[in-house]
Amino acid sequence: GAVVSQHPSRVICKSGTSVKIECRSLDFQATTMFWYRQFPKKSLMLMATSNEGSKATYEQGVEKDKFLINHASLTLSTLTVTSAHPEDSSFYICSAIPAGTTAYEQYFGPGTRLTVT
Amino acid sequence: QKEVEQNSGPLSVPEGAIASLNCTYSDRGSQSFFWYRQYSGKSPELIMFIYSNGDKEDGRFTAQLNKASQYVSLLIRDSQPSDSATYLCAIHTNAGKSTFGDGTTLTVKP
Repeated sequence: GAVVSQHPSRVICKSGTSVKIECRSLDFQATTMFWYRQFPKKSLMLMATSNEGSKATYEQGVEKDKFLINHASLTLSTLTVTSAHPEDSSFYICSAIPAGTTAYEQYFGPGTRLTVT
Repeated sequence: QKEVEQNSGPLSVPEGAIASLNCTYSDRGSQSFFWYRQYSGKSPELIMFIYSNGDKEDGRFTAQLNKASQYVSLLIRDSQPSDSATYLCAIHTNAGKSTFGDGTTLTVKP
């Protein structure tokens, strides 16, 4: 149980285009999902917290107009990188907390490797 | 001071030994404590969580929590080469925030 999927797993796009990444909780409902990015050999960096039915909360320094987050249902959150540039190339990982949990454990998706050329 | 501190390592242990990974945290209001394992190029996976003082065992893994000392550890018994990975400590606070440490890299040598 507690499986989170991400799609696509890898994407290459041209500079200036937009890319959408989907995060789905497959066997549980998640009122809260998180989006992280991670550079090679670096720690996880929280980008934003996504709550179903409300606006995402972005961490300091993360541009909300560039990284659009939509949490339209209890099993789906999307991250859209708009007008992507090479510096946006990174490993993007989502996670989800099962609704009703009292421990707030996070289950991670497999990640999406974005390369902007 | 970082909210969650971990020794970056690398920590190297021989196969079959006990690996001990440590983590300290600064927020006394932290409720839940987690250990995740992350293989190179992959996303983190939850190993176990603990929220009461004492030990919690799951197979070869034991999490230990001491809230008075603001310290949580993970013991891996009978370490295997497949345990070689980066181990992330994380906390969840009363404010509803989750914070991750930078991770400790463990290498188990055959």
